Amino acid sequence: EIVLTQSPATLSLSPGERATLSCRASQSVSSYLAWYQQKPGQAPRLLIYDASNRATGIPARFSGSGSGTDFTLTISSLEPEDFALYYCQQRSNWPRTFGQGTKVEIK
Amino acid sequence: EVQLVESGGGLVQPGGSLRLSCAASRFTFSSFAMSWVRQAPGKGLEWVSTITDSGGRTNFADSVQGRFSISRDNSKNTLYLQMNNLRADDTAIYYCAKGGWLGFFDPWGQGTLVTVSS
Repeated sequence: EIVLTQSPATLSLSPGERATLSCRASQSVSSYLAWYQQKPGQAPRLLIYDASNRATGIPARFSGSGSGTDFTLTISSLEPEDFALYYCQQRSNWPRTFGQGTKVEIK
Repeated sequence: EVQLVESGGGLVQPGGSLRLSCAASRFTFSSFAMSWVRQAPGKGLEWVSTITDSGGRTNFADSVQGRFSISRDNSKNTLYLQMNNLRADDTAIYYCAKGGWLGFFDPWGQGTLVTVSS
């Protein structure tokens, strides 16, 4: 099973600041990595797929990078609605696995 | 806009069974793989199962293998998850999601809560 480790667990930032979230895989997942956003009481929403492609309707301030085992989600300038939980997920191997999540909270 | 609506959740005793349904609309259901993902209270996301567009192939997490089955009725645009021999650690919100075989999970339904308790 591919283990995805996200860091940090919590990121405390102010609106307008840049957020950098990390996801590290226990073995290569090529570019088969996605990022999801989840707000309290809501289902997750796909943000980024195949490491660097924004999903439909996702603002340009969200960007993804990386390949192999190291990936980054960057939010260039935090908007109030961006404070949420973020998960990475791989589709390289079965079972599909998720990281444990990074919470982006208001400082 | 794609719509996925789960139903069938509820309170069940350990060892019991439950069948979840996911009604899909506003896309060609028979052309896409479908998946179930769950989230225990206050915890992260856990993939449960995926079925191909035709229903010919399935995959399961080890934690549910042999207890859960996934199926679909393309004539009814509906995905199912049959859950048998339920345990307390199966307590979670169960989400259905489009995709998951060759692609990622997008979008997700609103989820249905399953509580396993005596």
